[in-house]
Parts: sequence; structure tokens; C-alpha cells
Amino acid sequence: VQLVESGGGLVQPGGSLRLSCAASGFTFSNFWMNWVRQAPGQGLEWVANIKYDESATYYVDSVKGRFTISRDNAKNSLYLQMDSLRAEDTAVYYCARDSSSTGGLDSWGQGTLVTVSS
Amino acid sequence: QSALTQPASVSGSPGQSITISCTGTSSDVGGYNYVSWYQQHPGKAPKLMIYDVTNRPSGVSNRFSGSKSGNTASLTISGLQAEDEAEYYCNSYRDSSPPLYVFGTGTKVTVL
Repeated sequence: VQLVESGGGLVQPGGSLRLSCAASGFTFSNFWMNWVRQAPGQGLEWVANIKYDESATYYVDSVKGRFTISRDNAKNSLYLQMDSLRAEDTAVYYCARDSSSTGGLDSWGQGTLVTVSS
Repeated sequence: QSALTQPASVSGSPGQSITISCTGTSSDVGGYNYVSWYQQHPGKAPKLMIYDVTNRPSGVSNRFSGSKSGNTASLTISGLQAEDEAEYYCNSYRDSSPPLYVFGTGTKVTVL
């Protein structure tokens, strides 16, 4: 199982960024997928998840209406479209597989750093 | 959404057992058996240690065990080893509208 995030970088407040997560080594279309972030020196924060068939998505309140999680099962890829970015969105963003459909995140990517600053 | 409450730090000597608590409410930890625990070493991605309160993924040492009583979940590390020194986070499903997952505040485990 391998998850590889990409798309992080420096963006100005109010800007947009799209993160990608390439999955391999498992049947991607069978699993819920998640985004989790970690601000510098801080703890983990669950951001969003998406059901294996794209029929359901959920978000933490702080990103609702600004972030959109999506997936392309044909390309084994997970995405996070981030709009109206704020300084407090600065963090390492991890994609993670939910092995049990009950929040047990058993595989994680290496993370991609998003810095929101002018 | 408020985080689950964990002690900031726990320490123990090699070979000892330690327990990390994770306190929530009846809407999360107390209401569902969907608590997981993660180990994170500095600069690394988290690693799943326990899921669904008590289940251990393949490859995780049986020195790690999980339990729950009421609104508090616990992770016990027995036979403490130097490599166990890390940050530990709990996570729980929370029945809110809409439903979501919430992490704990994190506990730094120090091996003396």
C-alpha cells in the first residue's frame, strides 16, 4: 500500500490550491479516504473524508464551504480543492486510508506542506 | 469542533507499563466503539496502533492494548521500550450533524 501526496506549496491568503494523493497497492475503490492535517508544532486535525463510491463527503466545520474533497477511482486518486485559504490552514496535509470504515486510518502518505502567507 | 482530552505527557522507565487516557462525551467515545490510536515520531506520518477500541492491526506489537470505560478510552503500553517514545493521539467518530471524526490533543510519551 502506498499513498503519495503532491500539490502543496506557498499560496497567498485568499488563494487556492489543489492537493492530490496517488494510491497504489490496493483496490482504491473499496475504501473510504480521508485528509488529515497538522499545523506546525501542533496536533492532528481530521479535515474531510469521502465514501468509496463518492456518494458521501464530510468536512470539519472550519473548512466547510471552502474545501472540496473528491476522488477518481479510475485513476486511483484522491483530491482536496482548497479555496479561500487562510493563514490558519497552514499545515502538513496527509491523505489516509480508512481500513475499517470506522476511522481506523491504517495507511498514510508522507504529507505535503501547505503554507498560506503573504 | 472540540478535541478529545488527553494528558500532555506520560513517562515511564524501560519495562514498565503506562496508560494514556482519552476523554470525550457520550456523542463520541462513550457512544461508539470507533476509537483508534496513533503513534507519531517527529517528522514522520502517524501510524495506526489500535482501531475499534481494542483491535490491533497486523504487525503492531502486542505490548499495545486498548480499552474503554464510559466516555474515556485508554491505550496501555506494557514492557516500555526506548522506541515507544513518541507522540500518541486518540481519534473517535462523533455523532454530530454532519458526523465527523475528532482527534485527541496528543500525549508525549517519554521513556526515562
